[in-house]
Amino acid sequence: GAVVSQHPSRVICKSGTSVKIECRSLDFQATTMFWYRQFPKQSLMLMATSNEGSKATYEQGVEKDKFLINHASLTLSTLTVTSAHPEDSSFYICSVIPGGYEQYFGPGTRLTVT
Amino acid sequence: DAKTTQPNSMESNEEEPVHLPCNHSTISGTDYIHWYRQLPSQGPEYVIHGLTSNVNNRMASLAIAEDRKSSTLILHRATLRDAAVYYCILSYSGGSNYKLTFGKGTLLTVNP
Repeated sequence: GAVVSQHPSRVICKSGTSVKIECRSLDFQATTMFWYRQFPKQSLMLMATSNEGSKATYEQGVEKDKFLINHASLTLSTLTVTSAHPEDSSFYICSVIPGGYEQYFGPGTRLTVT
Repeated sequence: DAKTTQPNSMESNEEEPVHLPCNHSTISGTDYIHWYRQLPSQGPEYVIHGLTSNVNNRMASLAIAEDRKSSTLILHRATLRDAAVYYCILSYSGGSNYKLTFGKGTLLTVNP
């Protein structure tokens, strides 16, 4: 399977600031990565599909100007939460599909907005 | 997306087999059945997937009903490390990038 890392694992930021989360595919060149969000005691919800060299595709209800996704290389996608608010506090997880049907997930980033 | 129905929670004893059921009565002929699990505070982990035939791998077995309207994930000998939320997900097999729609899953508790 693919190895996916995320940085940071935890971040605390103040309301109104922006925070960037990195997702790296360590052993696989990923043209596509997925970003999910998970609130406490809830299931994962797909936010967007990140496409290398082109614009991300956002799911309905996800604000593209608030959640900026950049997939500048085959091994790195970044999610920037702009003007973060306490309601953006969540567990953010990325994933890749190396080939076939299995999706491999990163360890997640816990964002707390104070 | 075709939906799945799973029990909210199940309990098992260590070293005993566990059968986790999933109903997907509206599955289409092109939908794959995937199982993922998520340990606390971690990203999900791929477990197994199948289309029509039963599947086995080092982690688990997947038994698919003949009409494909239900499936069962089988953990042959549960360990404490298998305690997790297990998600049964259908994914359209027609494209090259598969979006996964997670439901609430089944919280598996393994008793020592």
